[in-house]
Amino acid sequence: ETGVTQTPRHLVMGMTNKKSLKCEQHLGHNAMYWYKQSAKKPLELMFVYSLEERVENNSVPSRFSPECPNSSHLFLHLHTLQPEDSALYLCASSQENTQYFGPGTRLTVL
Amino acid sequence: TQLLEQSPQFLSIQEGENLTVYCNSSSVFSSLQWYRQEPGEGPVLLVTVVTGGEVKKLKRLTFQFGDARKDSSLHITAAQPGDTGLYLCARTAGNKLTFGGGTRVLVKP
Repeated sequence: ETGVTQTPRHLVMGMTNKKSLKCEQHLGHNAMYWYKQSAKKPLELMFVYSLEERVENNSVPSRFSPECPNSSHLFLHLHTLQPEDSALYLCASSQENTQYFGPGTRLTVL
Repeated sequence: TQLLEQSPQFLSIQEGENLTVYCNSSSVFSSLQWYRQEPGEGPVLLVTVVTGGEVKKLKRLTFQFGDARKDSSLHITAAQPGDTGLYLCARTAGNKLTFGGGTRVLVKP
């Protein structure tokens, strides 16, 4: 238990669906992150939020839309995804140079 | 893109054996972190190395940072089934991490 929780743990969706991934951190950290981990590529940083402001968008397609309503919560809104978006989506939080990861959401796009 | 190469990609050994995994880059690291990721979980930080030539030990794990700060290794002595997992190295730049592709280690009882 790292203090970072993610829901749901597994998600199957069609290409026309809209869904959201949720991340919550109980560590009092001021930065939160979304990463994508797929079988064929290294773990990739998608978005960084610091003090609830997005400070990094790593060339992510617009079908992925992050939201950070407060310092403890981070969402990733998904719409019209492609099968190649199937992956493990990991959330992390940090205060300084150590990132704490959640267990991830395993996403399958049919 | 500053790539991190990890080798080998996969390693299967018997309990009690030793193993070493490597992380290499063509450019200098400001600092480097090693993570272990178990199935169904996110990566967990093992160590951060900052100084060229640095050696850090964590029980049966020994981490080395190359003198030129372009490479690092992780050595596990007398591996146990609990050491099974994906070992990831990551370059740090402020609060951003760039990961290598990982080495998947399987320790058989």
